[in-house]
Amino acid sequence: KQEVTQIPAALSVPEGENLVLNCSFTDSAIYNLQWFRQDPGKGLTSLLLIQSSQREQTSGRLNASLDKSSGRSTLYIAASQPGDSATYLCAVGGSARQLTFGSGTQLTVLP
Amino acid sequence: KAGVTQTPRYLIKTRGQQVTLSCSPISGHRSVSWYQQTPGQGLQFLFEYFSETQRNKGNFPGRFSGRQFSNSRSEMNVSTLELGDSALYLCASCEAGVADTQYFGPGTRLTVL
Repeated sequence: KQEVTQIPAALSVPEGENLVLNCSFTDSAIYNLQWFRQDPGKGLTSLLLIQSSQREQTSGRLNASLDKSSGRSTLYIAASQPGDSATYLCAVGGSARQLTFGSGTQLTVLP
Repeated sequence: KAGVTQTPRYLIKTRGQQVTLSCSPISGHRSVSWYQQTPGQGLQFLFEYFSETQRNKGNFPGRFSGRQFSNSRSEMNVSTLELGDSALYLCASCEAGVADTQYFGPGTRLTVL
């Protein structure tokens, strides 16, 4: 059974800092890995999708990497802003389009 | 394209009642999945529909059911509601492939009293 862990559970940083969020998974037989953002009481916004054959993806200030063999992914956020404050969720895609989620990292960026 | 829409956004029910939630996927998307999000258990997979057929089911009791229509819209039903069913129910859609990006709707907040 796939298990996904995200560390840290919460993170508070001053505006402008670069930061890294971590995600690990137990079963390397994945189709893809997706990073999402969730604002309080809202749905999930897709940030980046990395296919199992890829090593990284970039979108603006975000960069996500994937190391299938070690069961790890990182989300790098450059020059953080208060608007980046949210919960960041990592989800591993297995067969049949089912996502297994980590418990999330709650990020607060202080002005 | 319009995003994934879910109705209603908020629901209050009492124990023992049943409820139906609706999800309209992004135009052209054939797969719809449902997830339950609670503070204690996080996000858990309920089931996935593709071309009107349930392809995959999570570890939830039979009180949770769903269906998909020919236009890809999906409904999920929860019968005999329990207090523990209070949660945010999220719907996601993707085009078809198992490696496609999944797009989530805003969710339906269900409160069971």
